[in-house]
Amino acid sequence: DIVMTQSPDSLAVSLGERATINCKSSQTVLYSSNNKNYLAWYQQKPGQPPKLLISWASTRESGVPDRFSGSGSGTDFTLTISSLQTEDVAVYYCQQYYSTLLTFGGGTKVEIK
Amino acid sequence: QVQLVQSGSELKKPGASVKVSCKASGYTFTRYTMNWVRQAPGQGLEWMGWISTNTGNPTYAQGFTGRFVFSSDTSVSTAYLQISSLQAEDTAVYYCATSPRGGNAFDLWGQGTMVTVSS
Repeated sequence: DIVMTQSPDSLAVSLGERATINCKSSQTVLYSSNNKNYLAWYQQKPGQPPKLLISWASTRESGVPDRFSGSGSGTDFTLTISSLQTEDVAVYYCQQYYSTLLTFGGGTKVEIK
Repeated sequence: QVQLVQSGSELKKPGASVKVSCKASGYTFTRYTMNWVRQAPGQGLEWMGWISTNTGNPTYAQGFTGRFVFSSDTSVSTAYLQISSLQAEDTAVYYCATSPRGGNAFDLWGQGTMVTVSS
């Protein structure tokens, strides 16, 4: 199975400041035939199901604020919240869907400092 | 309206079985696989596997073979997760999730079903 490793486990950021979450896969999730990274980011707030923020490593879902951005390729990826808002307090997960056996990262809890 | 609606919370004794349902609406049920995701209390997301809603063929992640069974009924656009010989460690929220927009990431989730196993 592809192992997804997120860092840090948690971070506290001041309102309006940048939050950066890293995700590393144990093998590439870049499909060479279409040059797409099979990597998604989800946001989960307490008591709610996860919400898809970004697919294909960098494509924001409709309605997701543009302060959220995804970058990276191959095995190393980053989710950036450019200016943290109160409503962004949540746990964020990366997920690879390159393999038929999908896997999630362990999650990163984002809080307000 | 495109949605997945799951059955309600369950309280079961160790050794019992449970069947969680996930009813799809607003899209063609058989076009997209249905996935199951487990989240134990205070823990992260764990992908359990998926079922082809077209053929009924399931695929299970490591650790979810044997006691876990995925099934689907196309006549009612519903997927099912059955867990037998329940153990305390099975206490978790179980989500169904799929990709009706045609991508591979999960853009549609059920609300989750809490299964509690306690004597």
